[in-house]
Amino acid sequence: DVKVTQSSRYLVKRTGEKVFLECVQDMDHENMFWYRQDPGLGLRLIYFSYDVKMKEKGDIPEGYSVSREKKERFSLILESASTNQTSMYLCASREPGQGTETQYFGPGTRLLVL
Amino acid sequence: GENVEQHPSTLSVQEGDSAVIKCTYSDSASNYFPWYKQELGKRPQLIIDIRSNVGEKKDQRIAVTLNKTAKHFSLHITETQPEDSAVYFCAASLGGNTGKLIFGQGTTLQVKP
Repeated sequence: DVKVTQSSRYLVKRTGEKVFLECVQDMDHENMFWYRQDPGLGLRLIYFSYDVKMKEKGDIPEGYSVSREKKERFSLILESASTNQTSMYLCASREPGQGTETQYFGPGTRLLVL
Repeated sequence: GENVEQHPSTLSVQEGDSAVIKCTYSDSASNYFPWYKQELGKRPQLIIDIRSNVGEKKDQRIAVTLNKTAKHFSLHITETQPEDSAVYFCAASLGGNTGKLIFGQGTTLQVKP
């Protein structure tokens, strides 16, 4: 059974702080994703990574960066947190290949920026 | 850019009735269409998916239909139960086999006992 974990369920930060959100998967998946979830907007892709040290911007990368130094870990970084980054952040992983497009999600981190 | 439109945004049904959620996608190269269920406070979980070479797929009380010509796909839940209450998201793969998914806006389904 695939397990995707995120470092925090709830996080409260101040405007201007640097914020790190960590995601770990235990299935040796090559692909990992960061989404933010906002009511009425669904899940929007921030960044994704095809493999270690590889990253690509998603639909809303502004204000975010990522790091993938090891295959199992994908970090989302808010360089200088702002109130409009208050949201639910979801990490997902996937193994590429025919018939394996399913993305498996972590439990989410609800971030409040004051 | 490519997008997925999902309707309705909220749906309320009586227990035992059927529920239908519809999605429209824009990317002609989309070939994989999953549906996720997210219960309150929990992670999204895959409940059913369909590929572009299949028109319909069923798994017990849930079914998904796909009309590639019209770029429509729908989720059908029959004999709804209170535990079906959740937010449902449709998604479409982007650009063939990129691995990326575009999600719909979500539908909050409430099943009244």
